[in-house]
Amino acid sequence: GAVVSQHPSRVICKSGTSVKIECRSLDFQATTMFWYRQFPKQSLMLMATSNEGSKATYEQGVEKDKFLINHASLTLSTLTVTSAHPEDSSFYICSALQGGYGYTFGSGTRLTVV
Amino acid sequence: RKEVEQDPGPFNVPEGATVAFNCTYSNSASQSFFWYRQDCRKEPKLLMSVYSSGNEDGRFTAQLNRASQYISLLIRDSKLSDSATYLCVVRYFNDYKLSFGAGTTVTVRA
Repeated sequence: GAVVSQHPSRVICKSGTSVKIECRSLDFQATTMFWYRQFPKQSLMLMATSNEGSKATYEQGVEKDKFLINHASLTLSTLTVTSAHPEDSSFYICSALQGGYGYTFGSGTRLTVV
Repeated sequence: RKEVEQDPGPFNVPEGATVAFNCTYSNSASQSFFWYRQDCRKEPKLLMSVYSSGNEDGRFTAQLNRASQYISLLIRDSKLSDSATYLCVVRYFNDYKLSFGAGTTVTVRA
């Protein structure tokens, strides 16, 4: 079946540094990628939607200059958390839309900012 | 008001028991409905889609009530491996974005 590879699975970084998270669709072309954030005991919150070759669409309240999304190819989308702070510590997860209806999730990245 | 609301539980049941829980959604334009399962610190995985007439998949039964805007999930003959958080997910008409509930935690004990 469809697989989305997400890396890294966990990362610890210092406050003020940037972290890049990658999601690759391994056996299909992902024209649309969704990026979510999940805090403990809360729902997945959509941060942004990215389409290959165009600018990402951010949800209300999500700072686009802080969470940089690049979807330069049909198989790779990246999320960069810039100038990370402890409050950015969360579980970040991508989801690729396949064929208009099927959603394939990456395995998630647990970010801890110290 | 949250778009998708779930009873967080936890539902703590013995093996073999039946457990059921609901989810309500606020947007009547919701078109597609799903139950996902999420294990601790893992990605959500599709358990089943929910169809208007209700549907079963083995020990799992999902129902949809559009008039009252809720969906339900029933698990029969619970197994230890059913312990997880169950996410109610809604997709709106003409939109590919998914809206997630915060999840209902089920713990099946031996």
